[in-house]
Amino acid sequence: DAGITQSPRYKITETGRQVTLMCHQTWSHSYMFWYRQDLGHGLRLIYYSAAADITDKGEVPDGYVVSRSKTENFPLTLESATRSQTSVYFCASSESGNGGTDTQYFGPGTRLTVL
Amino acid sequence: QKEVEQNSGPLSVPEGAIASLNCTYSDRGSQSFFWYRQYSGKSPELIMSIYSNGDKEDGRFTAQLNKASQYVSLLIRDSQPSDSATYLCAVRQTGANNLFFGTGTRLTVIP
Repeated sequence: DAGITQSPRYKITETGRQVTLMCHQTWSHSYMFWYRQDLGHGLRLIYYSAAADITDKGEVPDGYVVSRSKTENFPLTLESATRSQTSVYFCASSESGNGGTDTQYFGPGTRLTVL
Repeated sequence: QKEVEQNSGPLSVPEGAIASLNCTYSDRGSQSFFWYRQYSGKSPELIMSIYSNGDKEDGRFTAQLNKASQYVSLLIRDSQPSDSATYLCAVRQTGANNLFFGTGTRLTVIP
């Protein structure tokens, strides 16, 4: 079934470990986004990508790395996980970044716990 | 001042009533506006998008945009218990490719 998927859905890791969250979409959308959702803060943008090999920082990029070698994949890496990175992470995609096709569609989310 | 502000609620309405959700935004040049619904433990799903001043209706949902006053609202008519969720307002600011989200309003529809 076409759509946007994330893996893993749940992850528990320890402080200092590297963690990679995967995001895959089958719509050939140009734009992809990573958000984190925390109580009291809502959804905050970490990084986004306008196309393969084009990425840009969002509101809260520190401690995260992204890459986009293929249009359909947009992995998010926590290089050295900290407890403050415990959160629910959502990937999203949109056909464009503006105009009538800028609706973002969200993946199911990854719940990450850093001990 | 946050870019997008919503009353966090909770907002409780009886079944069959009209639920009114409001959102204000700070960037006067914002161009795209969205309402997402998020059930507990689930991902946000799009309810409505609106780009022009006025009302846009889709079934029981009506989005209202007033750019002069910098607010966007969502009306849910004939509210159902299944409408109980958190509603997120999102805005795309001038020149931005990403959305800014409010913290959401939690709606409870009482049977």
